[in-house]
Amino acid sequence: ETGVTQTPRHLVMGMTNKKSLKCEQHLGHNAMYWYKQSAKKPLELMFVYNFKEQTENNSVPSRFSPECPNSSHLFLHLHTLQPEDSALYLCASSQTDRIDQPQHFGDGTRLSIL
Amino acid sequence: GENVEQHPSTLSVQEGDSAVIKCTYSDSASNYFPWYKQELGKRPQLIIDIRSNVGEKKDQRIAVTLNKTAKHFSLHITETQPEDSAVYFCAAPLYGGSQGNLIFGKGTKLSVKP
Repeated sequence: ETGVTQTPRHLVMGMTNKKSLKCEQHLGHNAMYWYKQSAKKPLELMFVYNFKEQTENNSVPSRFSPECPNSSHLFLHLHTLQPEDSALYLCASSQTDRIDQPQHFGDGTRLSIL
Repeated sequence: GENVEQHPSTLSVQEGDSAVIKCTYSDSASNYFPWYKQELGKRPQLIIDIRSNVGEKKDQRIAVTLNKTAKHFSLHITETQPEDSAVYFCAAPLYGGSQGNLIFGKGTKLSVKP
């Protein structure tokens, strides 16, 4: 299934670098999500966008900055990250941001902070 | 806020046996309960979901049961096969603001031995 595509698949960066994660969905959905998946912890919701508007910021540090230029694309801009930010970052989309809409995930970006 | 507890954290069964994973939730307003399967190195995929107006739902070898009074729901996999080996996540809604967000359990690593 290539409905939700994330790039890059792997990223290694230093704490002072600036990088961006990209997510693109070809499912015609209007809601997009960023999740953080760390070892031995539950999936953590970071941001929700519905029709390009941010509807949820789950108390995420400002070193993570999302951008949603249209309903098909979602970015996560990273700067001055900390070692504890190393994790798998998953993008998802759904028809709308209603909670009972099935969410379709991408393969994720494995992020390592040196 | 919503608290989702998932048990067990690991489960090993022989091929052909049944597997049961249980989740409890705390918010009595929760009304939608999805289950996701994540194979090693792959994306989480929705395998089944249930809404609060039904007590059970089946899809071939997979079933989910819901006990609203006790606030728990369970995933049942019958006639397990090696390809069922994966991490399974349950989720329940947390309502706040204009929408709700899914709160995920910590996951159950299921191993099916041939």
